[in-house]
Amino acid sequence: AQKVTQAQTEISVVEKEDVTLDCVYETRDTTYYLFWYKQPPSGELVFLIRRNSFDEQNEISGRYSWNFQKSTSSFNFTITASQVVDSAVYFCALSESGGGADGLTFGKGTHLIIQP
Amino acid sequence: EPEVTQTPSHQVTQMGQEVILRCVPISNHLYFYWYRQILGQKVEFLVSFYNNEISEKSEIFDDQFSVERPDGSNFTLKIRSTKLEDSAMYFCASSLDRARLGNTIYFGEGSWLTVV
Repeated sequence: AQKVTQAQTEISVVEKEDVTLDCVYETRDTTYYLFWYKQPPSGELVFLIRRNSFDEQNEISGRYSWNFQKSTSSFNFTITASQVVDSAVYFCALSESGGGADGLTFGKGTHLIIQP
Repeated sequence: EPEVTQTPSHQVTQMGQEVILRCVPISNHLYFYWYRQILGQKVEFLVSFYNNEISEKSEIFDDQFSVERPDGSNFTLKIRSTKLEDSAMYFCASSLDRARLGNTIYFGEGSWLTVV
């Protein structure tokens, strides 16, 4: 079973629309950490946010916001008033304090296309 | 802002040749990683490295692969006898402490390896 599921393979919206990227995770650990990374066309992986399992407070950073809900094991990412520069592949990732690897378990990514 | 740097950005090699990918992690970080991303697929954990030895490795990281910290700043991934299926983007990464303790993993820009 996948530990991190990003069911949306590709999303295409017109600039200025709001868009939400879904992430559902699976873990037996009570302490874990969730991340979002952005991979623009140039290929690098850019860290966006980290959230620990004890902090369910939603976070807003400019046009970006994240909704963490333990009850549904989801950590969704919303971009408000999208811009062409937001076009990228976005990865959700999980780090588990108990089991799992030292590193991160990534989802398959969501390719976001913002059309002008 | 400190960053992880990788060289080369792109390397083409013939099947059966040995390749060394180089990385300079963020200077005060203690954990180093290599990840792989086959074109169009998700990012996969290969190996983590701490205190001059492998901390953890995935099933992908078999005898064909090795890592080394030859000096105080560089961290290398060696791939022996490359195969066509080794063609991928290889990301080096580092974190201040163990990712499973909630530390953020910062990635380099990647080294794109093409095996022909």
